[in-house]
Amino acid sequence: QSALTQPASVSGSPGQSVTISCTATSSDVGDYNHVSWYQQHPGKAPKLMIYDVSDRPSGVSDRFSGSKSGNTASLTISGLQAEDEADYYCSSFTSSSILLFGGGTKLTVL
Amino acid sequence: EVQLVESGGGLVQPGGSLRLSCAASGFIFSSYWMYWVRQVPGKGPVWVSLINPDGRTTHYADSVRGRFTISRDNAKNTLYLQMNSLRAEDTALYYCAKDLHWGASDYWGQGTLVTVSS
Repeated sequence: QSALTQPASVSGSPGQSVTISCTATSSDVGDYNHVSWYQQHPGKAPKLMIYDVSDRPSGVSDRFSGSKSGNTASLTISGLQAEDEADYYCSSFTSSSILLFGGGTKLTVL
Repeated sequence: EVQLVESGGGLVQPGGSLRLSCAASGFIFSSYWMYWVRQVPGKGPVWVSLINPDGRTTHYADSVRGRFTISRDNAKNTLYLQMNSLRAEDTALYYCAKDLHWGASDYWGQGTLVTVSS
C-alpha cells in the first residue's frame, strides 16, 4: 500500500478546473516539501509537470499548478483540455532518501 | 537534446540475473543524480534505486535491496542496474530517469521490459 494516497479518478468538462489530491499517510515523508507531479499518457513515459510542490519545469503550461496544505499536496489543472486526459501520479522524496509514488489518478475529460 | 536509452531487458527465469544499461546524452551526466523506476503495465510507477553523481551514494527500495545493484560509469555516460535473484514480481518496464531537483525526474527513457517467468 502506497504511503501517498490519491483518488482513483477525477473528471471535468473542457474549460473547467480539476484538483487532484495526494495525501501522505507515512511520517517518512518528513516536511513533505519535495512533492512532484507526473502526467502519463498510455504507452508513454511519465512527464514531470510540477516539482518541489509548486514549481513548473520549463515548457509546462501554466494551466498546471501545485500547492500543499499540511500532509496533502494538490495538483490543479485549469482550463481543462482534451489532451489533459491521462493518468497523474504524485511523488515525494523523503528524508530517508526514498522516492515514493502515489497510486495514480485517472483524469477523464468529459 | 537530452536522451536516455535503456537496454538489457528480456525474458529470464526466476532466480536468474539481468544487467540493464541506460545510455545518457545531451547533458553533463556526471553532475546528476539518476534513478531507476519500474512500472507494471496498467499500474503506477515504483521507485527502485537511486545513485548520486559520483556513484558513492546509493539507495534502494526494500523490495530489491540485497538483490539489485545500481552503478554508473561517468566516463561512458552510462547508468546500470544489476539485477540478481529475480522474482516474478520483478516483471515490469524499467525506466531510467534523470534528476532535476530532489527526486523530481525531468527526463525519462523509453523503458526496457523485464519479464521473469519459467
